[in-house]
Amino acid sequence: SAVISQKPSRDICQRGTSLTIQCQVDSQVTMMFWYRQQPGQSLTLIATANQGSEATYESGFVIDKFPISRPNLTFSTLTVSNMSPEDSSIYLCSVIRGFGETQYFGPGTRLLVL
Amino acid sequence: KNEVEQSPQNLTAQEGEFITINCSYSVGISALHWLQQHPGGGIVSLFMLSSGKKKHGRLIATINIQEKHSSLHITASHPRDSAVYICAVTGNTPLVFGKGTRLSVIA
Repeated sequence: SAVISQKPSRDICQRGTSLTIQCQVDSQVTMMFWYRQQPGQSLTLIATANQGSEATYESGFVIDKFPISRPNLTFSTLTVSNMSPEDSSIYLCSVIRGFGETQYFGPGTRLLVL
Repeated sequence: KNEVEQSPQNLTAQEGEFITINCSYSVGISALHWLQQHPGGGIVSLFMLSSGKKKHGRLIATINIQEKHSSLHITASHPRDSAVYICAVTGNTPLVFGKGTRLSVIA
């Protein structure tokens, strides 16, 4: 298995500010993902974090709004920039250790934007 | 794009009841995941399966590839099983998630 921690676990932020969420895994992993879960909705993939290169974003998500870093095989950050109330969601980090293995999810970061 | 449908959306059960949650999808897949999400938001992976049946404690997951259907069963349900159960599928694409089934088990 893979043990994933996220910081912060929750935050309340003012509109127009930015928040950086950290994801730390206890072992090296092949793939890291960032998901968003808006209230009452299913999970939506924001991007795949690539080590040493720019993240791969899904349709509807852009780097200026959600910059992502992945400096090594165990750590990634997601920044939610220039926040608005519509960004209030749970943000989840997820990893796959190796090809064909199961996908693990972090505990999530619950964000409320006022 | 794969469409993932779960039923029921909401389920209330008495402690001890046998529970079944269903998941159907529209396009062939390489694997199906059952996930559990507690009120705090964190997600736990329960099963990943591509054929047949898997069992872990009181949880059983089955999949029928031909019918594009999977079920999650909980035997002897307990209030601590109360959570949202999410089905997710993958082929050569990132996971596609169902909307989840909210389960409440009452003592």
